[in-house]
Amino acid sequence: DGGITQSPKYLFRKEGQNVTLSCEQNLNHDAMYWYRQDPGQGLRLIYYSQIVNDFQKGDIAEGYSVSREKKESFPLTVTSAQKNPTAFYLCASSNWGRHEQYFGPGTRLTVT
Amino acid sequence: AQKITQTQPGMFVQEKEAVTLDCTYDTSDQSYGLFWYKQPSSGEMIFLIYQGSYDEQNATEGRYSLNFQKARKSANLVISASQLGDSAMYFCAINANYQLIWGAGTKLIIKP
Repeated sequence: DGGITQSPKYLFRKEGQNVTLSCEQNLNHDAMYWYRQDPGQGLRLIYYSQIVNDFQKGDIAEGYSVSREKKESFPLTVTSAQKNPTAFYLCASSNWGRHEQYFGPGTRLTVT
Repeated sequence: AQKITQTQPGMFVQEKEAVTLDCTYDTSDQSYGLFWYKQPSSGEMIFLIYQGSYDEQNATEGRYSLNFQKARKSANLVISASQLGDSAMYFCAINANYQLIWGAGTKLIIKP
């Protein structure tokens, strides 16, 4: 089955620690995206990547970093510089020339 | 800059009735696309329907249709014959360059 996987579903970390969220897709999509969702709100774009080895900052990139070494993978690192990292993180992908994005199941990160 | 406004924070609808979820948008682009997504309590975002700005016909996908009124900058989602499984958050989005700009969402609850 083609799709997007994110792991883990729930993640707990202590304040001051970096944490990496995994996102893998086997849809052969060119573009991948990371969003953050806070309770009762819409999605905000953190980073996106249109091709391998290239990525762009979204609206709320501060305190986050990404890499795109393979087409299938787009991991997100939440660094200790992110002031309020507790949130629901969604990864998405899309095909070049088509705009609808397909989403993974999300990772709920809690930092205490 | 592109913007999406969803004015209904929450709605209660009786099962089997039709539902209209409101979405208005603002953009200076001549070519754009509008999207609706469903987010059940599990958290995953599910793509429902897409409308291109130059599409002459309103988009339809099964029980979902998009009431597109370009002059009013309105892209309302209509769900016919609602079902209990339609209870979820619904988000409207517009594409901007290679990103999607999201509304705050409407929480729909279907009553048996």
